Formats: sequence, structure tokens, C-alpha cells
Amino acid sequence: NAGVTQTPKFQVLKTGQSMTLQCAQDMNHNSMYWYRQDPGMGLRLIYYSASEGTTDKGEVPNGYNVSRLNKREFSLRLESAAPSQTSVYFCASSEQPAGGGDTQYFGPGTRLTVL
Amino acid sequence: QKEVEQNSGPLSVPEGAIASLNCTYSDRGSQSFFWYRQYSGKSPELIMFIYSNGDKEDGRFTAQLNKASQYVSLLIRDSQPSDSATYLCAVNMGYGNKLVFGAGTILRVKS
Repeated sequence: NAGVTQTPKFQVLKTGQSMTLQCAQDMNHNSMYWYRQDPGMGLRLIYYSASEGTTDKGEVPNGYNVSRLNKREFSLRLESAAPSQTSVYFCASSEQPAGGGDTQYFGPGTRLTVL
Repeated sequence: QKEVEQNSGPLSVPEGAIASLNCTYSDRGSQSFFWYRQYSGKSPELIMFIYSNGDKEDGRFTAQLNKASQYVSLLIRDSQPSDSATYLCAVNMGYGNKLVFGAGTILRVKS
């Protein structure tokens, strides 16, 4: 039982390049989330998926797209990377599809640098 | 704008002391409250959650919730150097299962 896994762990991009961050969970959770964490700003929600087949914007969605590929996998795509997207990206999952406020479990993170 | 506020610290306490971490939130309709611990370079891990007013204890940790005053706190008794980390307060403000996180409080426990 690996929990939430993310790939890659580290990535360096040049401005304008694209890439996809991968996330998978093996806990049979319904909901999945993408956050970014910047120094002094805590975790900010980029996109989330309440259940398979649905996605919705969070607090900071601009410059990102997501795909809920199936119940296990939720990917985050940067179409044209910008230096402002340099951050640590965390994927998380939780059991409930909506409401209830249950626990979110986090992956190990991806450290992304955009030059 | 839904907000969760924490003192960034660092909060320094001696080993064996009680560490008190505080968090305030803006939305009076908030329903559930979480404390996560994050070691440097690692991902957040859940310490406790609390839904109802009052205290909830789990080992050395006690979460306290006061919805009327819109604050939640975390007490760590018998603090250990291994408790040194950033503590994140997170609040479910009633919009699906989305959490709003505070920026975190850095705790340093000195031996």
C-alpha cells in the first residue's frame, strides 16, 4: 500500500516548456487534489476532482490543466511554464466526494523550477 | 476571500514544555478543522482533526476549537526535539471537501 505517489520528484524546465505531473493513489479514494506550496504562503489549491469524471478550479488555476484519468490517477499539466510556477507541488486524496471534511493524504511532492 | 491565519513564528520552546499553536479563520460557517505537521522538505501529515467545540486529546496533542471566537489551537505537551516542524492549520469552509490552509507556524523545540 503506497498511498499517494507522485512523479517526478524533481524537474527543471525552461520558460515556455510544457510538462505533466503525475499522481496516483491506491486507497480507493474518491476525491483528489493538486496544491502548490510557496515559501510563506502555505498550501494553495490549484484544481480538485471530487469524484471520477469531475474536475473543478481551486484558488490558483491559471496556467494549469488537469485530467482525472480514472479513479486512481489525477494529472496536472503546465502548457507553457513560467518562472512564477516555480514551486513545490503536492497531490492529495480523500475518501469523501463532497462535504464531510474528511482527512486528505498527501503525496511526497514534486519540486519544480522554471528558468 | 476565505482566510486562515497563523503566526509564522518561529515559536521556540524548551524540551518538556507545552507548545501552544493558534489559528483563526474568517468563515463562521466552517465545519471541520485539521492540524498537519510538515517536516522540512517533506509532505504534510495529519496530526488531528476536530469538528465540535471544546477539546480533543490524542496522546501528547490536544486540539481546542471555539467556533464563536473562530479560533482553533493545538497544544503539544512534553515537547520533544522531534516535534520541531511547521504546523499547518487547515479549515473546511463548507465548500465540498476543499480545505483552506494557513501559512503555518514554525515550532522549534530546544533540548
